[in-house]
Formats: sequence, structure tokens, C-alpha cells
Amino acid sequence: QVQLVESGGGVVQPGGSLRLSCTASGFIFSDYGMQWVRQAPGKGLEWVAFIRYDGSNTYHADSVKGRFTISRDNSKNTLYLQLNSLRLEDTAVYYCAKDASAGGSYPEYWGQGTLVTVSS
Amino acid sequence: DVQMTQSPSSLSASVGDRVTITCRASQGISNYLAWYQQKPGKVPKLLIYAASTLQSGVPSRFSGSGFGTDFTLTISSLQPEDAATYYCQKYNSALWTFGQGTKVELK
Repeated sequence: QVQLVESGGGVVQPGGSLRLSCTASGFIFSDYGMQWVRQAPGKGLEWVAFIRYDGSNTYHADSVKGRFTISRDNSKNTLYLQLNSLRLEDTAVYYCAKDASAGGSYPEYWGQGTLVTVSS
Repeated sequence: DVQMTQSPSSLSASVGDRVTITCRASQGISNYLAWYQQKPGKVPKLLIYAASTLQSGVPSRFSGSGFGTDFTLTISSLQPEDAATYYCQKYNSALWTFGQGTKVELK
């Protein structure tokens, strides 16, 4: 079965950086696009970023563009999200999700999430 | 950017009631719409994709309809385990946008 396990969350000061990882199993990782979605405490879901199956194209939400970078290592079945210049409003649970297709459609399966807290 | 607006923001219904949630896109998105269910403290779960296709394993009391800008999620007979927040999401371009969510509570 599909398993997605996020790691790398924690507490960081404003302006700091973190790298989140998502290790995938139970499917052919290199055949599917992947996404990051976040959820601030008590708030709704916010799409963050998408990467195609081969890493050839990436897309980021305007709210994180220029600060966050999605990437992947298909040899390690791992998805990454580099978070730079963090702001208080980036505090959220970050979910990685397997897309239903290679080139971009809907998030089909979700990991359990990792909490990022930006606080001084 | 295309905005997704759900209504109502919350509702309260009794077991057995028919419940309808609406999602409106600010521009046409064909049928590139998915619905998710999120129970408190849990991970979102895919219910419906392509506006009306039920994800495998999802109970048949859930259904979706719509095309273009107006979409609905219907629960034909509300069950206690359906208490959750429901989100729509568009996926027709390189910007994936969620609605703000609809919280469904049991009376």
C-alpha cells in the first residue's frame, strides 16, 4: 500500500530555513508527480508546490514562490521541500501527497504530515 | 488566479439527512475538481475526482456533480462518521487551489 512519511519539521526562528523530506513506498515513485500541501493551525488546506514525475517541471504557490523549493530524488524515493526565509505565517502542518498522474492532477494519497513552527 | 468558493462554511444536520455542499470556481475549470474529507486530527482523504468519479472504497452515499464553474458534493443519507470538514480543489492548471472548507456537524 502507498506510504508517505514526512520528516524534518521543527521549531525555527523567522528568517530561518528547514528542509522537509518525504519518503515514499508502495508505488513506483518515479512514475508519479508529487505535491506539498500545508495546513495552518485551525485553518484550511493550502496547496504549496508540485513536481512532475521526472522533476522536469515544478510549480509553487505565490505565497511561497522564491522562498520554498520542491525537488525530488527518484533514486531514493524521496521528495523534498526546502523552506527558506521563513515567516510566522508559514507555521503549519506540511503534508506530502502522491499525485494521481505523472504530469499533474489531484493529490491521491497523503502522508501524516510534519509540523513546522516559526517562532521567535 | 481562479478562486474556489464553498458554501455553506458550516452546517448542522441529523443522521439520515441529505446534505449538499456547493463549490464555485471564479472561472471555468471543466471537470477538474476533487473533493476531500478531513476528520479532526486526521489526514485529508480523497472522496471524488473528475467532479463525479467516486474514489475506490468511498461509500456510495457520497456523490459529486457539476461542470465548468458550479459543483456539488452530496451525502444522500448522513451518517455519524461523516462529521468532518469537506474541501473542494481544482486541478486544471499549474495552480492547485482549495476551497475554504465546509464543516459538517451532527445535530
